Amino acid sequence: DAGVIQSPRHEVTEMGQEVTLRCKPISGHNSLFWYRQTMMRGLELLIYFNNNVPIDDSGMPEDRFSAKMPNASFSTLKIQPSEPRDSAVYFCASSNRGTYNSPLHFGNGTRLTVT
Amino acid sequence: DQQVKQNSPSLSVQEGRISILNCDYTNSMFDYFLWYKKYPAEGPTFLISISSIKDKNEDGRFTVFLNKSAKHLSLHIVPSQPGDSAVYFCAASGSQGNLIFGKGTKLSVKP
Repeated sequence: DAGVIQSPRHEVTEMGQEVTLRCKPISGHNSLFWYRQTMMRGLELLIYFNNNVPIDDSGMPEDRFSAKMPNASFSTLKIQPSEPRDSAVYFCASSNRGTYNSPLHFGNGTRLTVT
Repeated sequence: DQQVKQNSPSLSVQEGRISILNCDYTNSMFDYFLWYKKYPAEGPTFLISISSIKDKNEDGRFTVFLNKSAKHLSLHIVPSQPGDSAVYFCAASGSQGNLIFGKGTKLSVKP
């Protein structure tokens, strides 16, 4: 089991540029979550998918953020245009919602720095 | 408004002693609680959980206690080891299976 795989591990970009973060969930998991970690706000849920369908995107900060899950093995989180306040660590997590209270399994995160 | 609160940002404990990490929640609809452990440059990893129908769950050196009337849970680690030094996150499960996290407590276990 390779675990949840995120890429890139680090991303440094200039304000105004488009940023795309990628996630491959654990095979067989049917729920996928995007979290953001900052010092001020801790771990915030941005959006999550069940069976590739977005269920709740109320945590997405604003329209500059978008997420897709075109199939069960891939998801992207896009920020366009990026701003310095988007600097944070972004985590992807997956779980098997068919198993009651299956814990979330997290990737190692993408550290985004917007200058 | 935080639904899950960890009021102690940090905790320092001597090796071999007990570590007690605390967590409070506000939403009485939460029915499942989890603790995650996070090392630097890694994602959080699941440690232990408890259902709201129980008041205690034990796994080796780790025990989680739940007090529903007080909306409070705690994680006990005994004996504490230097390898336990990490950030510990408390989380509560919402109705859709999503997790709501506290801000974490950084535990330092000194040899």
